[in-house]
Amino acid sequence: GQQVMQIPQYQHVQEGEDFTTYCNSSTTLSNIQWYKQRPGGHPVFLIQLVKSGEVKKQKRLTFQFGEAKKNSSLHITATQTTDVGTYFCAGRSNTGKLIFGQGTTLQVKP
Amino acid sequence: SAVISQKPSRDICQRGTSLTIQCQVDSQVTMMFWYRQQPGQSLTLIATANQGSEATYESGFVIDKFPISRPNLTFSTLTVSNMSPEDSSIYLCSVDSGGNIQYFGAGTRLSVL
Repeated sequence: GQQVMQIPQYQHVQEGEDFTTYCNSSTTLSNIQWYKQRPGGHPVFLIQLVKSGEVKKQKRLTFQFGEAKKNSSLHITATQTTDVGTYFCAGRSNTGKLIFGQGTTLQVKP
Repeated sequence: SAVISQKPSRDICQRGTSLTIQCQVDSQVTMMFWYRQQPGQSLTLIATANQGSEATYESGFVIDKFPISRPNLTFSTLTVSNMSPEDSSIYLCSVDSGGNIQYFGAGTRLSVL
């Protein structure tokens, strides 16, 4: 079946370092979404990318959708302790189903 | 956006019993979703609940184990039936609001002894 693979599973960084998580789909996606789940919390929508090659920024977060619409990345510049959590990508297939990646758990050491 | 109230927030249950989780949305929505998230894992879709029709279950999930009700456009319930320790997980409801964005409830943390 259709899969969305996300790496790395875990990342520990020193505060101030950059962080990137990558998402790859086995098939072309109609769009991709990113969610953040704080420890003990629920997933919260961050952003949606729709167009091939699209890049969007939210303050220190940069989201990118690949040209082939099969991969995506989230890059955080100069991490802060408030960035701690698990980041999930979720790809929407052409059938409309939303498929979540495994998530990347980010730990930030102050 | 949508505000979702989910309850109970957590429960500890004995094996063999059933638990019904409620999900209330502050606006009318066509589709509601039920997910399971095991500790440290991703979200797995259990079923999609549409008002006025039977829920659509994903592979590996069956109605006898996870019956779902959707009596109106703002409310749904998920029952975890005949529970075993393997059902210990976080159960999340979500809705698909405008723009295909999913909003999640706070989740129900279930422990089965």
